[in-house]
This record gives sequence, structure tokens and C-alpha cells, in this order.
Amino acid sequence: DADVTQTPRNRITKTGKRIMLECSQTKGHDRMYWYRQDPGLGLRLIYYSFDVKDINKGEISDGYSVSRQAQAKFSLSLESAIPNQTALYFCATSELGQTSYNEQFFGPGTRLTVL
Amino acid sequence: GESVGLHLPTLSVQEGDNSIINCAYSNSASDYFIWYKQESGKGPQFIIDIRSNMDKRQGQRVTVLLNKTVKHLSLQIAATQPGDSAVYFCAETGFYGQNFVFGPGTRLSVLP
Repeated sequence: DADVTQTPRNRITKTGKRIMLECSQTKGHDRMYWYRQDPGLGLRLIYYSFDVKDINKGEISDGYSVSRQAQAKFSLSLESAIPNQTALYFCATSELGQTSYNEQFFGPGTRLTVL
Repeated sequence: GESVGLHLPTLSVQEGDNSIINCAYSNSASDYFIWYKQESGKGPQFIIDIRSNMDKRQGQRVTVLLNKTVKHLSLQIAATQPGDSAVYFCAETGFYGQNFVFGPGTRLSVLP
């Protein structure tokens, strides 16, 4: 079984709709992250959470919100989807390794298309 | 804003040769620099990281070099194998793992 799972894997929606992407992890990690990936732009950080009571904005948080329901669950919402939010979305987790939190474990991604 | 970038968007190497993937960064205050590998249809996978107070770090078949003078990071892959074909991203972050910033990626193709 995968350690980091994302649902749905693919979603097509219309402009103005509310969308929620869900992420679950069985790794027991405290830290969770949401990224979006666009061709030629790499990954950009949307939000991150260091524990259940901690939520931080990333580089591109406008138009998105998150909820950390439990240590294992971190959801990303698009309150009113727009076409330029069409992208591949990744969830990731991490914990303190030998020296840093830099080893992030990524889910398989959710491909979102906004028409 | 500050960003991490790459010199070469694509790189083709012969199987068995060494590969060098380069990255330029602009935030001199970053504490860690990281390399990730992303295979087609999958999420990125951590390869190796280096702290800003180091110049070189070695892993299994990989070496990361950091040149703070010119704000340059490189990933060297020894004896490149077909399984190394992927997109490679450099990233930077603060000491406490806040605000990861990724570069746009370099595609490595290993030729038989």
C-alpha cells in the first residue's frame, strides 16, 4: 500500500465550482505540503503544515485554502475554481531525518482540469 | 521574487558516462539545497541534499557540489544508467524546512 495517497487522481470541473483534493499518509509524519506543478515551472508550494495546529502559506496560496484534519490528513480546497488552476497537484510529507526535514515523500499526484 | 533556476533544460548522455546537471540559485540566505528526481507519471523522489556550510556531499553514485561564490549547485551522476532517465529538480529551503522553492527541472535522457 502507498504511504502517501491522493484522491481523486483525476478531476475535470467547471469554472466557479468548489473542489477539494485530499491527501492521506500512513508514514506518521508531522509535516505535510501541497504543491502544484505546471509544465516548465517545476513545483510551487501552495501551503504547508508542520503539525495539526500549524498552517502556513507558501509561494502561491491565493485562490486556495487547506485543512489539516488530523496528523494523517491534509486537504486542499479551491473555493471557486478558475482555468489557470489547471495543473498537477502533489501532496508531500516529511519528518526530521538525520539532519533535516528535506526528504519529502510525495503522493502520486492529482491531475485537475478546470474548464 | 527569488527563485531557483537551471542552465540546461535537457541533457542527453550515453549509458555508462557521467552526467552533470546544473542549477543556479538566487537566495543567498537559503540553508539547504536539495535534488529531486521525477520519473514519468510519478511524484518527485528525494536524491540528496547539502547544507549551505558544505561544498560537497556524496551519496550512492551521486555527488552534489555547492559553489556559494557564484550561487551554483550541481548534481553529478556516475556511470549513468537507463533508470536514471527522469526530470531532475533542484530546490532550496530554510534551516527549518520552510518555504521550499523548486527550479523548473532538467530532463535527463540516457542513450543506449
